[in-house]
Amino acid sequence: GESVGLHLPTLSVQEGDNSIINCAYSNSASDYFIWYKQESGKGPQFIIDIRSNMDKRQGQRVTVLLNKTVKHLSLQIAATQPGDSAVYFCAEGDTGGGNKLTFGTGTQLKVEL
Amino acid sequence: NAGVTQTPKFQVLKTGQSMTLQCAQDMNHNSMYWYRQDPGMGLRLIYYSASEGTTDKGEVPNGYNVSRLNKREFSLRLESAAPSQTSVYFCASSPRAGGSGEQYFGPGTRLTVT
Repeated sequence: GESVGLHLPTLSVQEGDNSIINCAYSNSASDYFIWYKQESGKGPQFIIDIRSNMDKRQGQRVTVLLNKTVKHLSLQIAATQPGDSAVYFCAEGDTGGGNKLTFGTGTQLKVEL
Repeated sequence: NAGVTQTPKFQVLKTGQSMTLQCAQDMNHNSMYWYRQDPGMGLRLIYYSASEGTTDKGEVPNGYNVSRLNKREFSLRLESAAPSQTSVYFCASSPRAGGSGEQYFGPGTRLTVT
C-alpha cells in the first residue's frame, strides 16, 4: 500500500541550531505536500506546503525541500527555539483525489536549552 | 472566529454504548474531515465530506457513521463503541475539495472505551 513515513522518530537540537526533519513518501500520484506541527494536547497546525512542480519553498524560519526523484521531503527550521518543540507530521495529497491527505507517523522535535 | 470547534473534549464510554462527536466550523469551508490519532501514530482518515450533502469513506471507516448536517457541521457517530475505538478524534475543514490541501484542525476529542 501507499505510505508516508519519517526517518527519525525523535530529534534533539540545541536552541539556536537549525533543525532538519525528513519524510519519505511512496505515492507517485501525490502532487501536494504539507508539514504540520502538533503541540501536546492540541490539534495539528499548518506550517508550510509545497506542490510537486516546485523543489523548494520558504516561509518564516522554515523551508520545505522536495526531491521527487527519490520521493523525499524535508522541513528545515532555522534558529530553532523552545517554542518549536512539538511533533511534526508530513502529509501527502493528490489534488485530484478529493483533497484527502495521508499523514506520516510524526517526528518529535526536542529543543534543548 | 472560533475556527473548528469540537465537543466534547473528553468522553469515557462502556463497550456497546453509542455517542456522537460534534464538529463545527465558522470559516465557510466546503470540505470537512474526521481523523483518529492513536499513540505514536499519524492521523488516519475515517470519513470526509467534500461538500455539503456528500460523504465518503476514508482509510478506517468501520464502526463509524457521519452526517454532514449543513455546511458548518459534520458529526461522527459511534453506534456500538469498542475498546479499539479508544483514540483522539480530530475534525478538520478545508476551503475546497480537489484544490489546495491545507486543512484546519479542531482541538480534538479524547475518547476512552472501557
